[in-house]
Amino acid sequence: QSVLTQPPSASGTPGQRVTISCSGSSSNIGSNSVYWYQHLPGTAPKVLIYRNNQRPSGVPDRFSGSKSGNSASLAISGLRSEDEADYYCAAWDGSLSGHVFGTGTEVTVL
Amino acid sequence: EVQLVESGGGLVQPGGSLRLSCAASGFTFSLFDMHWVRQPTGKGLEWVSGIGKAGETYYAGSVKGRFTLSRENAKSSLYLQMNSLEAGDTAIYYCARGGQGFDAWGRGILVTVSS
Repeated sequence: QSVLTQPPSASGTPGQRVTISCSGSSSNIGSNSVYWYQHLPGTAPKVLIYRNNQRPSGVPDRFSGSKSGNSASLAISGLRSEDEADYYCAAWDGSLSGHVFGTGTEVTVL
Repeated sequence: EVQLVESGGGLVQPGGSLRLSCAASGFTFSLFDMHWVRQPTGKGLEWVSGIGKAGETYYAGSVKGRFTLSRENAKSSLYLQMNSLEAGDTAIYYCARGGQGFDAWGRGILVTVSS
């Protein structure tokens, strides 16, 4: 099972702000960068945030990431219907000598 | 355009072997770490294995000792040799480039381990 814990679901109405948390430990989030991925069923995952709070070109600024201690969060502002997807955090874990993904959060736009 | 194309998936019996390949194009393959990530049906993403530019390899605990990752830079190709396959290895397997995070992904290929 995953060492990064996320809420299983989150939801909001169009235009609202949704925040997804990711809880880890000192061996992963506490000492390494956090990444966030968006995954729509049947498609390839897409990186939304790298190095805790950096957005790749082409990712809207509605998506933002932050990190504090052993936890991180992804915020989606101005929620849109196309944001309905699964979201995963990820980080390198020094104790495991491998990457770890979060448990995933399904975002629903009501 | 960056492209990653997986091949080699299919149905295999428990205890059997399979070799996945990932053909890369659109970037200088030798300059990037490469990874495999899988998603079992109805479950979340799981990192499987990664290989650095110098060929150093890393494995998830669940596959260590059974899977072997290698790369052939001259062919811009990544290989995952999977032995002693178990039902729990059934998943869609994605090839991913390690750049700014896993910043490029293939479309994935299905591996089914079943008798």
